[in-house]
Amino acid sequence: KAGVTQTPRYLIKTRGQQVTLSCSPISGHRSVSWYQQTPGQGLQFLFEYFSETQRNKGNFPGRFSGRQFSNSRSEMNVSTLELGDSALYLCASSLDSASNYGYTFGSGTRLTVV
Amino acid sequence: QQQVKQSPQSLIVQKGGISIINCAYENTAFDYFPWYQQFPGKGPALLIAIRPDVSEKKEGRFTISFNKSAKQFSLHIMDSQPGDSATYFCAASIDNYGQNFVFGPGTRLSVLP
Repeated sequence: KAGVTQTPRYLIKTRGQQVTLSCSPISGHRSVSWYQQTPGQGLQFLFEYFSETQRNKGNFPGRFSGRQFSNSRSEMNVSTLELGDSALYLCASSLDSASNYGYTFGSGTRLTVV
Repeated sequence: QQQVKQSPQSLIVQKGGISIINCAYENTAFDYFPWYQQFPGKGPALLIAIRPDVSEKKEGRFTISFNKSAKQFSLHIMDSQPGDSATYFCAASIDNYGQNFVFGPGTRLSVLP
């Protein structure tokens, strides 16, 4: 059974650019959540999608957006990159409510903004 | 009130010893408390989880102790092994659809051979 796949694994972007990260959840999982992980702030929730609808959103600026496709694959976009956006971006999938079924995390995309 | 506090920040234990990591929360609406283990270069992996109607849950060498009145929960790793060396995160969530998890800051555990 394939796990959660995130691409690319590493990314270097310049300040002001935009970036799109991709996540393929475990087959059959309809919920996809995104988290930002940094040494200073730890793991912070960005948003969650279920059946192509955003169900919940964390406290991040509007530069961070996402979407989910009909096959449950999800993308996350960050526009006008800032140095502080450098982080490990983690995608997690779940059958439905993560507190009933648990999250499975991908290995993340390491974004470096220079 | 959404914060989850975790201690210690780092922990060094001898092989065969007991590792204990503590977490505390404020929001009494939290009703699901998982622990995640993360190795370098990997995403967090669910280790064990508990709900507040249970005071203790054990899975192999891993035990969660939960104190609802004190709003605290802890992870005990018995017979700690070098392979347990990782970063451990506690988390809390509210069991409703569209919920998100609040994670503690993490504890870096090193088990010496």
